[in-house]
Amino acid sequence: DVKVTQSSRYLVKRTGEKVFLECVQDMDHENMFWYRQDPGLGLRLIYFSYDVKMKEKGDIPEGYSVSREKKERFSLILESASTNQTSMYLCASRPLYGYTFGSGTRLTVV
Amino acid sequence: DAKTTQPTSMDCAEGRAANLPCNHSTISGNEYVYWYRQIHSQGPQYIIHGLKNNETNEMASLIITEDRKSSTLILPHATLRDTAVYYCIVNAGGTSYGKLTFGQGTILTVHP
Repeated sequence: DVKVTQSSRYLVKRTGEKVFLECVQDMDHENMFWYRQDPGLGLRLIYFSYDVKMKEKGDIPEGYSVSREKKERFSLILESASTNQTSMYLCASRPLYGYTFGSGTRLTVV
Repeated sequence: DAKTTQPTSMDCAEGRAANLPCNHSTISGNEYVYWYRQIHSQGPQYIIHGLKNNETNEMASLIITEDRKSSTLILPHATLRDTAVYYCIVNAGGTSYGKLTFGQGTILTVHP
């Protein structure tokens, strides 16, 4: 069964901390995505990557960066966490059709 | 990507068929219709997709109108575990790496 694994289910971080959210897929997919989900706003795309070391900004990249050093791993980095980055973060990878999502990381910044 | 319109919420009795409609009147020729669902506090789960023919898998059936401007997801025998938010999305498939744009979806509540 195909899998997208996010390293943490719940995280609590302090304002100003550098935060790493890790995502690993075991399906050899080219394309990987980071979304955040907030009540009333739906899923919003932060960054995506269509190959190793390649990245593209999504709709809301401000305050975030990403890293894709290996095909199976796509990391989201919050350079200096702020309270408005408290959210559910979802990683996805894409085969030819459709997406496979991870279970999500609920990040709280205090 | 084309925009979709779904009802905000629907109810269904356990064991009955749940029919979830979606309008996508601006869909273009190379765009597929995808359905996902999201159970509380989990990542969205792929259900089914189609281009113009009706599709069926072990989870659901997808009926697409001939003009492709609307579709219906059918859960033939809804269970309590089917209570979730259901998203209808249109997106180019194939080699495109385009993003999926999720709207607000339909909250389906299956009751005993």
